[in-house]
Amino acid sequence: KAGVTQTPRYLIKTRGQQVTLSCSPISGHRSVSWYQQTPGQGLQFLFEYFSETQRNKGNFPGRFSGRQFSNSRSEMNVSTLELGDSALYLCASRKTGVNTEAFFGQGTRLTVV
Amino acid sequence: AQKITQTQPGMFVQEKEAVTLDCTYDTSDQSYGLFWYKQPSSGEMIFLIYQGSYDEQNATEGRYSLNFQKARKSANLVISASQLGDSAMYFCAMRGDFNAGGTSYGKLTFGQGTILTVHP
Repeated sequence: KAGVTQTPRYLIKTRGQQVTLSCSPISGHRSVSWYQQTPGQGLQFLFEYFSETQRNKGNFPGRFSGRQFSNSRSEMNVSTLELGDSALYLCASRKTGVNTEAFFGQGTRLTVV
Repeated sequence: AQKITQTQPGMFVQEKEAVTLDCTYDTSDQSYGLFWYKQPSSGEMIFLIYQGSYDEQNATEGRYSLNFQKARKSANLVISASQLGDSAMYFCAMRGDFNAGGTSYGKLTFGQGTILTVHP
């Protein structure tokens, strides 16, 4: 069974540009969440999608957005990149249900220069 | 609001010995779930163990066990018989009150992590 796949694995962008990250969840998982990990702030929740609807959002500016497609694949977009957006972006998927664990991808490491 | 505190930035353990990683949490939710994840240097978060707030018995998964003390709001991870491959960052995380239809849904709140180093 394939795990959570995130592409690309590494990305270097220039300040002011925008970027799109992709996440393919485990087959059958309808919930996809995104997290940002930095040395200073640790792991912070960005948003969660379920059945193509965003049902929870973390405390991030509107430059951070996402969407989910009918096949549960998800993308997140960051516009007008800032140096502080450099981070490891992790995607997690899980089955519905109260006791279900989240399975994470290997992440996309974004460097903004 | 939920908060996870991991007070040990780094821990060292000798191979084959047991080690306990501390985690305390704060929440006003009546029901919640507690998770431990391992993050090797490759970056991927690997699920280790889960404890539900209404579970009466401590969770165990192979060499991992969770010492859950609800009154003290602690959920410490115990790794028995440490192996060199256990060297990694370990995160304690919480998911909120799903049973009450709260808005937490799948959101995980993480602690700052503990770096575990296993010496041969």
